Amino acid sequence: DTAVSQTPKYLVTQMGNDKSIKCEQNLGHDTMYWYKQDSKKFLKIMFSYNNKELIINETVPNRFSPKSPDKAHLNLHINSLELGDSAVYFCASSLLDSNTEAFFGQGTRLTVV
Amino acid sequence: GQNIDQPTEMTATEGAIVQINCTYQTSGFNGLFWYQQHAGEAPTFLSYNVLDGLEEKGRFSSFLSRSKGYSYLLLKELQMKDSASYLCAAGGNYQLIWGAGTKLIIKP
Repeated sequence: DTAVSQTPKYLVTQMGNDKSIKCEQNLGHDTMYWYKQDSKKFLKIMFSYNNKELIINETVPNRFSPKSPDKAHLNLHINSLELGDSAVYFCASSLLDSNTEAFFGQGTRLTVV
Repeated sequence: GQNIDQPTEMTATEGAIVQINCTYQTSGFNGLFWYQQHAGEAPTFLSYNVLDGLEEKGRFSSFLSRSKGYSYLLLKELQMKDSASYLCAAGGNYQLIWGAGTKLIIKP
């Protein structure tokens, strides 16, 4: 029944490791997003995909690589994790584009130690 | 440049009314969203204004003035469960520009 689900909810890992966060939506939406919310609570867009195609790629390190195998999935892979990557990462989807209501996943709290 | 401003924190009393303001500057403007985010949870949609004026939805109303780059969220009959952060987001040409959120504290 969950509309947008992402796993894992918590992720604690050491610096230098590679990790992935998975996201799936069952709403039939065309657009999916990855957001980063830091300790100051700013929500920053990282990537946006529309029908499996990348449409927004904000200035994020290329250690972050999104992968969209189909329009219902948008996974985030992070190489060589750094302390500054610690944040909450939210996956979201919207029916058409960023000017339609976004539905968010529960978030993944990433802690790099 | 693109920018969204909203107060960092507000305090109100249970049963009262509170107005959370948001000013924005974006490259192109399509509409203004308000989202609610409880601590440790994901943001959830509250409202979307495209045209000038007030949109009412139960205890919550949202106002937009496109000419002034200004919006507010009005919460009536405050309940303790309304304690949360309220995020303003402006739809630009390609993406949403988000504010940092206003943390609303409700006191009994």
